[in-house]
Amino acid sequence: AQSVTQPDIHITVSEGASLELRCNYSYGATPYLFWYVQSPGQGLQLLLKYFSGDTLVQGIKGFEAEFKRSQSSFNLRKPSVHWSDAAEYFCRGGSSNTGKLIFGQGTTLQVKP
Amino acid sequence: NAGVTQTPKFQVLKTGQSMTLQCAQDMNHEYMSWYRQDPGMGLRLIHYSVGAGITDQGEVPNGYNVSRSTTEDFPLRLLSAAPSQTSVYFCASTRIGGVTEAFFGQGTRLTVV
Repeated sequence: AQSVTQPDIHITVSEGASLELRCNYSYGATPYLFWYVQSPGQGLQLLLKYFSGDTLVQGIKGFEAEFKRSQSSFNLRKPSVHWSDAAEYFCRGGSSNTGKLIFGQGTTLQVKP
Repeated sequence: NAGVTQTPKFQVLKTGQSMTLQCAQDMNHEYMSWYRQDPGMGLRLIHYSVGAGITDQGEVPNGYNVSRSTTEDFPLRLLSAAPSQTSVYFCASTRIGGVTEAFFGQGTRLTVV
């Protein structure tokens, strides 16, 4: 079955430090992958998406993600974290057969001053 | 464009009451879905629709009902509210299902007492 897994439920980093959030997918065909951010009390906002082509994709707010087919991963990175990046982050895939959105469990990011 | 409009933002119900959460999109998207978000459990699919007149169950459909009479609207009905339905609910729409960008409403925070 198609699935998306975020191994880290909670991550804490210091402000100014680099960040990497992990996402692994289980797909048969070409994956369509997305990262969303959810600030407290808010809806989900798209950070970036991967359909095909360049494996390093740039998003909003200084985020980027790298698609690695050999590792079935689509990890989200940011070189220097700001306090305003504290939020919950969701990796998402999707089924072209059923139309369903397939979410990871989410990773909560805490930023220490 | 308004995108996805979800109402109400907050609601308190008594056990046994019924209510309808409204979701409307103005992007002519075929695929719409409802999720509930509970702490530590990510986003769980309640019901989804691949087009007007077509709906199907997700992971946690019990106690909820949906219909899709138009492309724009996808209301979620709670038939007889229970405390276990206390949650934050999100509506989402995508152009062609799981492989395109999803747009989310701002969420409804529902408390059942």
